[in-house]
Amino acid sequence: QVTLKESGPALAKPSETLTLTCTVSGFSLSNRRVAVAWIRQPPGKALEFLSLIFSNDGTVYGTPLKSRFIISKDTSKSQVFLTMTDVVPADTATYFCARIPVITIFDVPKLGNNGLDVWGLGTTVTVSS
Amino acid sequence: DIQMTQSPSSLSASVGDRVTITCRASQAISTYVNWYQQQPGESPKLLIYAASNLQSGVPSRFSGSGSGTLFTLTINSLQPEDFATYFCQHSSGRLTFGPGSKVDV
Repeated sequence: QVTLKESGPALAKPSETLTLTCTVSGFSLSNRRVAVAWIRQPPGKALEFLSLIFSNDGTVYGTPLKSRFIISKDTSKSQVFLTMTDVVPADTATYFCARIPVITIFDVPKLGNNGLDVWGLGTTVTVSS
Repeated sequence: DIQMTQSPSSLSASVGDRVTITCRASQAISTYVNWYQQQPGESPKLLIYAASNLQSGVPSRFSGSGSGTLFTLTINSLQPEDFATYFCQHSSGRLTFGPGSKVDV
């Protein structure tokens, strides 16, 4: 059974750096045919794609991040991390991680035409002084 | 960057109704669109991928269509558990989501 579980601090102060962890089970982060993404949702608002990481450590970032967020992973621990620097109150949201099947071209993973098929339950982060 | 818009932003419907939600991309994206359902307080659930492919386990009353810039999600014979918010998503590039369409009573 494929599962993803988010964890991390629930509260942060403006300008702090915090790291969220997504622990996966039922698949390996070394599997070239899957990637893991981070998505957030501010209270009452829409979903926002933040970043994803492929098995070869290739990454994709959403437009608004302007390099404040960094995605990484520890394959041996089945964990994907999202490090958020210089957080602001607008970063207050529920943060989800999700799996997405991907394709390989000459053995290199690439986004295909698939959806985020398994999601974690989310972890809520509040940024406030 | 490609922008995704949805209409309507909300709609009222009744059990048994046929509901159609539209998603428009700011430029042609072939069939690179997914649709998700989100219940309050829950994670999103993938319904449709690649514009028209039903995700495993999703009831057949859900269907998707479209290509290029215009896409639709149709729910035939709305059920009580279908009252939720629906999001479209560009399934390539930066995986941009639409703003959502809420279906309520």
